[in-house]
Amino acid sequence: KAGVTQTPRYLIKTRGQQVTLSCSPISGHRSVSWYQQTPGQGLQFLFEYFSETQRNKGNFPGRFSGRQFSNSRSEMNVSTLELGDSALYLCASSLTGLNQPQHFGDGTRLSIL
Amino acid sequence: GESVGLHLPTLSVQEGDNSIINCAYSNSASDYFIWYKQESGKGPQFIIDIRSNMDKRQGQRVTVLLNKTVKHLSLQIAATQPGDSAVYFCAENIRAGSARQLTFGSGTQLTVLP
Repeated sequence: KAGVTQTPRYLIKTRGQQVTLSCSPISGHRSVSWYQQTPGQGLQFLFEYFSETQRNKGNFPGRFSGRQFSNSRSEMNVSTLELGDSALYLCASSLTGLNQPQHFGDGTRLSIL
Repeated sequence: GESVGLHLPTLSVQEGDNSIINCAYSNSASDYFIWYKQESGKGPQFIIDIRSNMDKRQGQRVTVLLNKTVKHLSLQIAATQPGDSAVYFCAENIRAGSARQLTFGSGTQLTVLP
């Protein structure tokens, strides 16, 4: 069974731009969650989607948003990029939600110039 | 100002020895705990989990212990191998009404010495 796939693997943007990251969950998994990992703050939960609805949310500003499609694939969008948004963005999936082990992709490395 | 990088606790063990990685969690409402392993350039990989109604759970070469009294979680790896070298994170899953939050520890860098 294929694992969680994230695209692209690397991305370079400049301040003020916006970016969209993509995540394909493990087949059959309906919950997709997103995380930001930085050297300064560690691994932080962004939000979780289930059945195309945002079900849980971390403490990030509204510039960070996401959506989930009917096939459970998910996208994350960051608008008005700031230097501090440089990070590894990780997507994870599970069958039904956060109260199960999350299966992570290898992330998208976003660099802001 | 410039953010300071997290200073990861480190643990070095000899190949074949047992490793114990500790984690303190913060919220009494946490009801589910998970250990992840992250190798360089890869996403976190699930190792083992435990729910708050248990004190101990064993997997293949790994054991997780949960002490709710002092809010402490530990991961024991038996007969540590070179492939176990990685950063290990604990995560606590907090239930607040119908909502859930997932909070991660800062991680421990495990190095296995030959």
